[in-house]
Amino acid sequence: QQQVKQSPQSLIVQKGGISIINCAYENTAFDYFPWYQQFPGKGPALLIAIRPDVSEKKEGRFTISFNKSAKQFSLHIMDSQPGDSATYFCAASKYRNTGKLIFGQGTTLQVKP
Amino acid sequence: SQTIHQWPATLVQPVGSPLSLECTVEGTSNPNLYWYRQAAGRGLQLLFYSVGIGQISSEVPQNLSASRPQDRQFILSSKKLLLSDSGFYLCAWGDKPYGYTFGSGTRLTVV
Repeated sequence: QQQVKQSPQSLIVQKGGISIINCAYENTAFDYFPWYQQFPGKGPALLIAIRPDVSEKKEGRFTISFNKSAKQFSLHIMDSQPGDSATYFCAASKYRNTGKLIFGQGTTLQVKP
Repeated sequence: SQTIHQWPATLVQPVGSPLSLECTVEGTSNPNLYWYRQAAGRGLQLLFYSVGIGQISSEVPQNLSASRPQDRQFILSSKKLLLSDSGFYLCAWGDKPYGYTFGSGTRLTVV
């Protein structure tokens, strides 16, 4: 119930293409879904987040799509760039609780020039 | 502005030696604080979290312990390190509604 399942484990995309990473959760009490970006040797940094009262949130080239009934959410990176090459983590939490995040296993994205 | 400091950046310790990793937060009061471990090429495992001074919740039984002696200080410790304790340790503070802010991490290698 506490798990967040993320796929794929790794992804290779050509420059200019669309990168799509998917996550699924089981606990319907989760109400906050962020995505983090991590470069090698660094701590993860918040990229974009969504609450379940909306189905989509867009910030620049990054979009979260959220399907509450299916308990799934995904990250879309439009016009992927080599600088986007990093590990991406989805996460979920019960926002009004301790706020502790449960992370997916991560997706390593490589954008080829 | 809020900042989070974590040190040391890298650490090589022999098996059986003690461990102390420190994390401090500036620019906020009574933050929720978290310790995560990331094994090589793997995800983020929540180890401990704290909602206040002296309040520690353990998520995974292990060879580690945590303490919060001051509002903005969070310490991860071990009395005797194991090889399996190697990994990348990350401290984070909860910044509702903006999620977590992570420190820069400590790469621990137990030899």
